[in-house]
Amino acid sequence: DTAVSQTPKYLVTQMGNDKSIKCEQNLGHDTMYWYKQDSKKFLKIMFSYNNKELIINETVPNRFSPKSPDKAHLNLHINSLELGDSAVYFCASSHQGVHTGELFFGEGSRLTVL
Amino acid sequence: DAKTTQPNSMESNEEEPVHLPCNHSTISGTDYIHWYRQLPSQGPEYVIHGLTSNVNNRMASLAIAEDRKSSTLILHRATLRDAAVYYCIMDTGRRALTFGSGTRLQVQP
Repeated sequence: DTAVSQTPKYLVTQMGNDKSIKCEQNLGHDTMYWYKQDSKKFLKIMFSYNNKELIINETVPNRFSPKSPDKAHLNLHINSLELGDSAVYFCASSHQGVHTGELFFGEGSRLTVL
Repeated sequence: DAKTTQPNSMESNEEEPVHLPCNHSTISGTDYIHWYRQLPSQGPEYVIHGLTSNVNNRMASLAIAEDRKSSTLILHRATLRDAAVYYCIMDTGRRALTFGSGTRLQVQP
């Protein structure tokens, strides 16, 4: 059973479109994250949710809107896609705590904007 | 910002030990040291973490300097499957884990 699963794994779309990436974790964790890995391979935190509440928003454009319907799911919706949004997006989860502890990552969703 | 410094790349031979260094001179007393690795086309994977004492698990060992300003991840016998980017990260508890550029480990047969 996959611990952190993301769909879709690959997404190719045109500039200006709106798309969503879904993430689910079956580890019983309270905290979930979205990270972005660009073409230079830097992995940057975008958002973090704890028990469905947003706790970290790292100055991400408001075209990106995370939604957490319950603590096992954290979806990422992107409006008006731009070329620079092309990247691999990773979902992750961890137990709640002052310190992050062990992060469990999904396999990533590769978004290509044409 | 909690910053770590690692070599860009390292090479090793298969079945030999690998010592991956990391400097974290700005570490404070409650900051944990984490190591993750990312294999090609996969998400990052937890390797090990520690606070003050050396730590061992089935994947690796973590040796932490007495002043805690540096640490070394030790892979006891490198295999081809250990070829990956290894990230050393300080967990300050104030923000989500921040990944730097890491060390790309190449393992030669």
